[in-house]
Amino acid sequence: AQKVTQAQTEISVVEKEDVTLDCVYETRDTTYYLFWYKQPPSGELVFLIRRNSFDEQNEISGRYSWNFQKSTSSFNFTITASQVVDSAVYFCALSTNNAGNMLTFGGGTRLMVKP
Amino acid sequence: DVKVTQSSRYLVKRTGEKVFLECVQDMDHENMFWYRQDPGLGLRLIYFSYDVKMKEKGDIPEGYSVSREKKERFSLILESASTNQTSMYLCASSGRFGEQYFGPGTRLTVT
Repeated sequence: AQKVTQAQTEISVVEKEDVTLDCVYETRDTTYYLFWYKQPPSGELVFLIRRNSFDEQNEISGRYSWNFQKSTSSFNFTITASQVVDSAVYFCALSTNNAGNMLTFGGGTRLMVKP
Repeated sequence: DVKVTQSSRYLVKRTGEKVFLECVQDMDHENMFWYRQDPGLGLRLIYFSYDVKMKEKGDIPEGYSVSREKKERFSLILESASTNQTSMYLCASSGRFGEQYFGPGTRLTVT
């Protein structure tokens, strides 16, 4: 069975601070995919990134960066110089071929960026 | 860009009514999903479909049914709406690597 844990339920930062959202996953499969989604107050989940289990290279996209470490089963997400528009709920998710590519979501982390 | 649309953003229905939630995707994806999202309970999978006319139960199918007559359209049906089905309903379709693209959601209130 798969499991995704986002231990931080809520984080509050002041604009321009850096913030890291933690994600820890569990799976027995050797081939799997990890995802991050953003859900702003409007409600739509926005796909941010996908990583496969064979690619541990970290990724940077503008102010966003992702750190994938198989040794600790973690896929953390860092926002640099946070902005008010980053305020949202962020979900980490996992899928495996053996689970038919179904997504297992973490509970989400609510990020509040204050001006 | 992938586009998933849902028929309504907000819907108010009475207890006992039959409710149809429509979802359409334009990326020729085979897989489509219906979730509900409730505070404190996260996203829960109701039903999914791997192909036209095929459907599989998710984690909480009770009280719901689905229809997939065309590849691009996946409908969620509440046969007899109840107040405990008041929720946010999210539709998604998935690409070749399993990433799911979501619609804007439908906030359903059953009174």
